[in-house]
Amino acid sequence: LAKTTQPISMDSYEGQEVNITCSHNNIATNDYITWYQQFPSQGPRFIIQGYKTKVTNEVASLFIPADRKSSTLSLPRVSLSDTAVYYCLVGDPQGGKLIFGQGTELSVKP
Amino acid sequence: SAVISQKPSRDICQRGTSLTIQCQVDSQVTMMFWYRQQPGQSLTLIATANQGSEATYESGFVIDKFPISRPNLTFSTLTVSNMSPEDSSIYLCSVEEPRGSPFTFGSGTRLTVV
Repeated sequence: LAKTTQPISMDSYEGQEVNITCSHNNIATNDYITWYQQFPSQGPRFIIQGYKTKVTNEVASLFIPADRKSSTLSLPRVSLSDTAVYYCLVGDPQGGKLIFGQGTELSVKP
Repeated sequence: SAVISQKPSRDICQRGTSLTIQCQVDSQVTMMFWYRQQPGQSLTLIATANQGSEATYESGFVIDKFPISRPNLTFSTLTVSNMSPEDSSIYLCSVEEPRGSPFTFGSGTRLTVV
């Protein structure tokens, strides 16, 4: 499974757009990029998944360049409740297990 | 997506004892996954549990320490045996149903060993 690298922590303020970038230089052809969010005392929760270009849902956008060696999770207009750890994972959806990297601890301040 | 009920939600245990964690899913799933999250750390996969066969353990985890049962397609247990303070962690179960879809996680069991 491709290893991922993302910032350990980020700070933001309410109402700002937050972009978290993940590097995955060894991504394989069958690999998808998936982001999970984890609040304290809860299990991770799926946010978004993509293979290439751009994916958008009601929560976030995911930007993936043509070479797919990195990806950027974009959270529009964050609120205090977006304070959480965000994990970038890369793997084949048919691969049968998830391997987590270190995650990015996002702190949103008033 | 599947709904997972995990219990207990937390426990404080004496060293040398064992704790069994239960994970119940509201639908039949082929594989269930057990993770450990040590304080301030990311999640580490312990093992994959398939119904009707022995669990597959990741490097660094052994069956004697973390025996797993998978009696049917909706239920699994993880036992943390002969506990020491180093086993203090959050333990989570997870499922992928249907195959290829995003994973769903239980709310976790916060274990403190004293």
